Amino acid sequence: DAGVTQSPTHLIKTRGQQVTLRCSPKSGHDTVSWYQQALGQGPQFIFQYYEEEERQRGNFPDRFSGHQFPNYSSELNVNALLLGDSALYLCASSLGVDTDTQYFGPGTRLTVL
Amino acid sequence: AQSVAQPEDQVNVAEGNPLTVKCTYSVSGNPYLFWYVQYPNRGLQFLLKYITGDNLVKGSYGFEAEFNKSQTSFHLKKPSALVSDSALYFCAVRDSESSASKIIFGSGTRLSIRP
Repeated sequence: DAGVTQSPTHLIKTRGQQVTLRCSPKSGHDTVSWYQQALGQGPQFIFQYYEEEERQRGNFPDRFSGHQFPNYSSELNVNALLLGDSALYLCASSLGVDTDTQYFGPGTRLTVL
Repeated sequence: AQSVAQPEDQVNVAEGNPLTVKCTYSVSGNPYLFWYVQYPNRGLQFLLKYITGDNLVKGSYGFEAEFNKSQTSFHLKKPSALVSDSALYFCAVRDSESSASKIIFGSGTRLSIRP
């Protein structure tokens, strides 16, 4: 049973560019949440997708957007990258939107130069 | 508003000794409290949670946590530390009235177990 997978593992971009990160949820899960973990900090909730719609959103600007596909996989897009967007981006999956039981992927390390 | 604090950036313990990783929280209503562990190049792994009931919660890998309402604390404990317990530990909280996605994580405590 595959757990949550994320790609790519690492990514280097320059300021102003755009990036897309991908996540496949744990088998049987239908909800995907994205978190940003800056160096030395805990994860911060970006948004959550369920039934291909954004259901909840944290305090992040519109430069951060996402998508969920019919197979429940998800993408996180960040436009106009800033140096401060450098972080580990974690994807977590769960069954249903309002559950505390979620499984995290290994993350994508984004470096913005 | 809800918040969580982990006052120690690092905790060092000798193998075989008991360990404690501290966490305090603030919520307007009743707290739901969690501990997660993060190993290098790995995502967060769930250890345990407190929702209601017994103040002593037992979790994975021999860890337990004690909920103390008067001190607004939820310290993580283990009677006998293993070198393999060395990792980054996160405490998290959310208000019972808010959605699960509104979970707030602390800044983490690095636990180092020396042989």
